Amino acid sequence: GENVEQHPSTLSVQEGDSAVIKCTYSDSASNYFPWYKQELGKRPQLIIDIRSNVGEKKDQRIAVTLNKTAKHFSLHITETQPEDSAVYFCAANQAAGNKLTFGGGTRVLVKP
Amino acid sequence: GAVVSQHPSRVICKSGTSVKIECRSLDFQATTMFWYRQFPKQSLMLMATSNEGSKATYEQGVEKDKFLINHASLTLSTLTVTSAHPEDSSFYICSAPDRFYGYTFGSGTRLTVV
Repeated sequence: GENVEQHPSTLSVQEGDSAVIKCTYSDSASNYFPWYKQELGKRPQLIIDIRSNVGEKKDQRIAVTLNKTAKHFSLHITETQPEDSAVYFCAANQAAGNKLTFGGGTRVLVKP
Repeated sequence: GAVVSQHPSRVICKSGTSVKIECRSLDFQATTMFWYRQFPKQSLMLMATSNEGSKATYEQGVEKDKFLINHASLTLSTLTVTSAHPEDSSFYICSAPDRFYGYTFGSGTRLTVV
């Protein structure tokens, strides 16, 4: 099955700086890669996603890049703000069964 | 957009009792529902997949007799934690794939077994 590795597990940045989170996946047939932000006790909130036919996608301060050959994808948050502090998860679907496998999560702290 | 309603949001039960968690798709038909468990400060781990009209499939290491999953209709999937023990205390969350929005998550259920 799919295995998704996420790094770093914690990330502390100064307000205004950029944050980068990286993930690798194992199933070369995966074709959907979402990123979620999760507040404590809440459901994961989709912040951006990318499909395998695209190499990069941007939405305001958030961007995701995908390298299918290397099987890794990254989340980039620019001009970080204190409200960006949360736990972020990457995920990848499995071609068989369309299951979504999550990375281990990154706890981001934006210091004012 | 697609909405999955999950109930209850919080439940406290005594050891040995059973607890049922419901997930309903409100504005679309969910032929598949994924059930996840999340322990504090950990990731979401897939427990099982329910499919309308067929038996659920369980991930390796998940006891199917303990976590009973039923997909009664195209809009309702339930997870029953049977003979619950304190180690079953966790955050349980369902998710349905939707071809327009990707995956829609329920709001989660915080289960505490005392």
